[in-house]
Amino acid sequence: GQSLEQPSEVTAVEGAIVQINCTYQTSGFYGLSWYQQHDGGAPTFLSYNALDGLEETGRFSSFLSRSDSYGYLLLQELQMKDSASYFCAVRGGSQGNLIFGKGTKLSVKP
Amino acid sequence: DSGVTQTPKHLITATGQRVTLRCSPRSGDLSVYWYQQSLDQGLQFLIQYYNGEERAKGNILERFSAQQFPDLHSELNLSSLELGDSALYFCASSVVGRGRGEKLFFGSGTQLSVL
Repeated sequence: GQSLEQPSEVTAVEGAIVQINCTYQTSGFYGLSWYQQHDGGAPTFLSYNALDGLEETGRFSSFLSRSDSYGYLLLQELQMKDSASYFCAVRGGSQGNLIFGKGTKLSVKP
Repeated sequence: DSGVTQTPKHLITATGQRVTLRCSPRSGDLSVYWYQQSLDQGLQFLIQYYNGEERAKGNILERFSAQQFPDLHSELNLSSLELGDSALYFCASSVVGRGRGEKLFFGSGTQLSVL
């Protein structure tokens, strides 16, 4: 089957850097994605890694190591508006299901 | 606005009843996904359709069914509802069903409350 593990909660202060880790188990791996969801809102796409390495998009970066079945989302220069839940998602398995982790709730403090 | 439309936004019903949730994907998107989100379970994948055909199935109960119509809108039918079915149901769409650089666009969800 497929499974993803990520921390349930992370707290950081404004202006800091935070890393949210994600480990996964799946067969037929296609890629690792990250989504952001604010309370009461819908998930929105942040990034996608199909190959090993770091992808940078503004203040957010995402990393993938396929040999370690591991990835992380790095958020720099944290702002209050970054307080949200962050989900990693992996597409894999025989049908290519897109499965989400349970999410990491990030709280940014002043 | 993601371009994905879900109706209704809120639904309150009783145990044993049947409801239908509707989703209109973004213009041009062929793939539709359904997810269930409850407080302690995160986003649970239910089912995916691609251009009218079922592409992948997750932990969808037998009481639940879905379909995608020729105009690409999709409906999720939930029957014999139980208290535990209360959750936020999301629909998402994407251009391709599988592949590199895929990005899902989520609707605003339907909040189902079973009383």
